[in-house]
Amino acid sequence: EDQVTQSPEALRLQEGESSSLNCSYTVSGLRGLFWYRQDPGKGPEFLFTLYSAGEEKEKERLKATLTKKESFLHITAPKPEDSATYLCAVYESTDKLIFGTGTRLQVFP
Amino acid sequence: DAMVIQNPRYQVTQFGKPVTLSCSQTLNHNVMYWYQQKSSQAPKLLFHYYDKDFNNEADTPDNFQSRRPNTSFCFLDIRSPGLGDAAMYLCATSPPFPGGQETQYFGPGTRLLVL
Repeated sequence: EDQVTQSPEALRLQEGESSSLNCSYTVSGLRGLFWYRQDPGKGPEFLFTLYSAGEEKEKERLKATLTKKESFLHITAPKPEDSATYLCAVYESTDKLIFGTGTRLQVFP
Repeated sequence: DAMVIQNPRYQVTQFGKPVTLSCSQTLNHNVMYWYQQKSSQAPKLLFHYYDKDFNNEADTPDNFQSRRPNTSFCFLDIRSPGLGDAAMYLCATSPPFPGGQETQYFGPGTRLLVL
């Protein structure tokens, strides 16, 4: 069965303390991996798409990487405004997005 | 600037009383999706439209129906809401295939409360 697992479930960081979020997947026919940011009470906001192992994307303090089995979202020198839930989703051969349950990130000043 | 609009943002209904949630888009995307998201859970796909072609997920309860009268609008009807249907309902769209279908743009969601 296709599965997307994110870890950790929750992460508390001090402002400026860099860290990484993990998304591991077991799907047949990966067509793309997506990272979204979701603020409380809001819809997911698209961040990155990765299509093949070795690919990297960057946006401000965020950098997403992809291997054949997992993806990492690296957060460099986070700020309190980076606090949110980060969702990983995999687009697979049946034209569906399969979401992980997310990592809830809190960054304290 | 809003691209995917959902109304209302908050909806309170009574147990068993039909309710309709609406979604509109200004992106002219041909694919529209409805997701259900409960607290601390991943969004769960209920169904999607590719143009007028309706695709229902196998585990979506019959209580949930959808209508798409035109490209811009899509509705989610819950015929007899139960307490377990209280959730955030997310609408999403994606660009025409090929090349962009997998990038989904989400609306702000409608939070449904069932009393």
